[in-house]
Amino acid sequence: NFMLTQPHSVSESPGKTVTISCTGSSGSIASNYVQWYQQRPGSAPTTVIYEDNQRPSGVPDRFSGSIDSSSNSASLTISGLKTEDEADYYCQSYDSSRHYVFGTGTKVTVL
Amino acid sequence: EVQLVESGGGLIQPGGSLRLSCAASGFTVSSNYMSWVRQAPGKGLEWVSVIYSGGSTYYADSVKGRFTISRDNSKNTLYLQMNSLRAEDTAVYYCVGSEGWFDPWGQGTLVTVSS
Repeated sequence: NFMLTQPHSVSESPGKTVTISCTGSSGSIASNYVQWYQQRPGSAPTTVIYEDNQRPSGVPDRFSGSIDSSSNSASLTISGLKTEDEADYYCQSYDSSRHYVFGTGTKVTVL
Repeated sequence: EVQLVESGGGLIQPGGSLRLSCAASGFTVSSNYMSWVRQAPGKGLEWVSVIYSGGSTYYADSVKGRFTISRDNSKNTLYLQMNSLRAEDTAVYYCVGSEGWFDPWGQGTLVTVSS
């Protein structure tokens, strides 16, 4: 079964930059779009990146997404880290049956 | 304003059945792909099922044969019929628009399967 693996947690100081990876277990991660969701405690997830690198309206340009085919990974980068960015982040793509697959999730801590 | 409101969650014994509902406003259920996504306590997100605008339905292997997704176009409401419930089905269940990416999300409804 296709899986997306993320680091369990990352932490950094305010104003710094963090990058979260999302590695596909098989196939080419570039063959399907990757989305990224932010989930704050007690709340439903919200979209921060869709279609690999697109930001929904209202999401600051501190959030950016990219694809690296050489490592079969997608990445979410948060620059100028703020305390409000402290949350869980999930990547999402599709398997060969076009079923939705979520990544394992990464907890971002702003020190 | 777009709003998805889930209901129907609660405490149910193993082997029991439950039907979740998701009432939509400002958003047409029948015109969009609609999914159920769940999250077990302290765990990550898991896609459960989708119904396409054309009516085709698909399920995660973990619920196939036990859960049924459906919709009532006249009520603009999405449903999830859950049968033969197991302890591992305990989770918050979210109703989500899923055309392209997951948006919008409901607030979720908690299902607890326990004796």
